[in-house]
Amino acid sequence: KQEVTQIPAALSVPEGENLVLNCSFTDSAIYNLQWFRQDPGKGLTSLLLIQSSQREQTSGRLNASLDKSSGRSTLYIAASQPGDSATYLCAVRQETNAGKSTFGDGTTLTVKP
Amino acid sequence: NAGVTQTPKFQVLKTGQSMTLQCAQDMNHNSMYWYRQDPGMGLRLIYYSASEGTTDKGEVPNGYNVSRLNKREFSLRLESAAPSQTSVYFCASSEVGTARDQPQHFGDGTRLSIL
Repeated sequence: KQEVTQIPAALSVPEGENLVLNCSFTDSAIYNLQWFRQDPGKGLTSLLLIQSSQREQTSGRLNASLDKSSGRSTLYIAASQPGDSATYLCAVRQETNAGKSTFGDGTTLTVKP
Repeated sequence: NAGVTQTPKFQVLKTGQSMTLQCAQDMNHNSMYWYRQDPGMGLRLIYYSASEGTTDKGEVPNGYNVSRLNKREFSLRLESAAPSQTSVYFCASSEVGTARDQPQHFGDGTRLSIL
């Protein structure tokens, strides 16, 4: 059974700092990995989707990397802003049962002005 | 472009009551999902539908039924609500099985309390 872990559970940084969020998974036979953002009381917003054949994806100040063999992904946020404060979740989809995803519990990020 | 729309946004039920959560997507996605999100338990898949007319159990299907009414709509029914079903329910959709998967898109959730 796939297990997805995100460490740390919470992170607080001053504005302007670059930071890295971590996601690890136990079964490397994944189809893709997706990073989401969730604001309090809201649904999940997709940030980046990395296919299993890709090593990284970039969108603006966000860069996500994927290392299937080691079961790891990182989300890099450059020049953090208070508006980046949210919970960030990663989700992996298996090669089998391609419609189902397993989610991590998320990292709650607070960016202080 | 509405994306994924869930109704209702909030609901309070008494134990034993039944209700149906509605979900509709306007992105012409083939796959739709129902999740529940609980503190300390993360997001867990209840049921999913790979295409119109098909459904499959997820991690926590007990106490729930689903209907994929058409390509746009996927409903979740609680036949006899229990306090353990108090949660935030999310519907999502995506396109699966094409040359490259598309991201999952989520609705804003239904906050359900069972007394």
